[in-house]
Amino acid sequence: DAGVTQSPTHLIKTRGQHVTLRCSPISGHKSVSWYQQVLGQGPQFIFQYYEKEERGRGNFPDRFSARQFPNYSSELNVNALLLGDSALYLCASSFFHSSNEKLFFGSGTQLSVL
Amino acid sequence: AQSVTQLDSHVSVSEGTPVLLRCNYSSSYSPSLFWYVQHPNKGLQLLLKYTSAATLVKGINGFEAEFKKSETSFHLTKPSAHMSDAAEYFCVVSDSNTGTASKLTFGTGTRLQVTL
Repeated sequence: DAGVTQSPTHLIKTRGQHVTLRCSPISGHKSVSWYQQVLGQGPQFIFQYYEKEERGRGNFPDRFSARQFPNYSSELNVNALLLGDSALYLCASSFFHSSNEKLFFGSGTQLSVL
Repeated sequence: AQSVTQLDSHVSVSEGTPVLLRCNYSSSYSPSLFWYVQHPNKGLQLLLKYTSAATLVKGINGFEAEFKKSETSFHLTKPSAHMSDAAEYFCVVSDSNTGTASKLTFGTGTRLQVTL
């Protein structure tokens, strides 16, 4: 069975540009979460979506947005990129959205902002 | 607010010796606690999770962790390290009071090095 897939794997952008990252969950999973992992730190929660509705939001500016589609795939959008947005962006999927849910992570999209 | 503190940023052990990765947590409510492992260029993988059943939790690859409420700790152990255990390990807490969201709070990670 395919795991969580993310695209692209690597991306280079310049300051002020916009970026869209994509995620396909494991078949049957209805929840998708996004995390940002800056080099040398643990991942930080950005969003969680379940059944196309936002279920949770982390402490990120409004430049960050996301959505979930009817097939449960998801996009993370970041506007007006800053150098500090350079990070590994991880997508995770799960069956449900409860606090003790096991999350399955993709390999991530490495974003570099120059 | 929930948080985790991983007490060691780097741990080095010899192959065949025990592993101890330390984690303390802070949570206002009954927490769910996890350990995830991240190998280079690979996604995070769940090792084990605690959700208020047994305090001693057994995970994959011979790892286990003990939940100690009085010490607010959730240390990860393995009796005998293998070279393939070399990776970054994250202690994670999820607060039951996040409502309908599964919001994981990660520690800063412990890099485990295994030497011959």
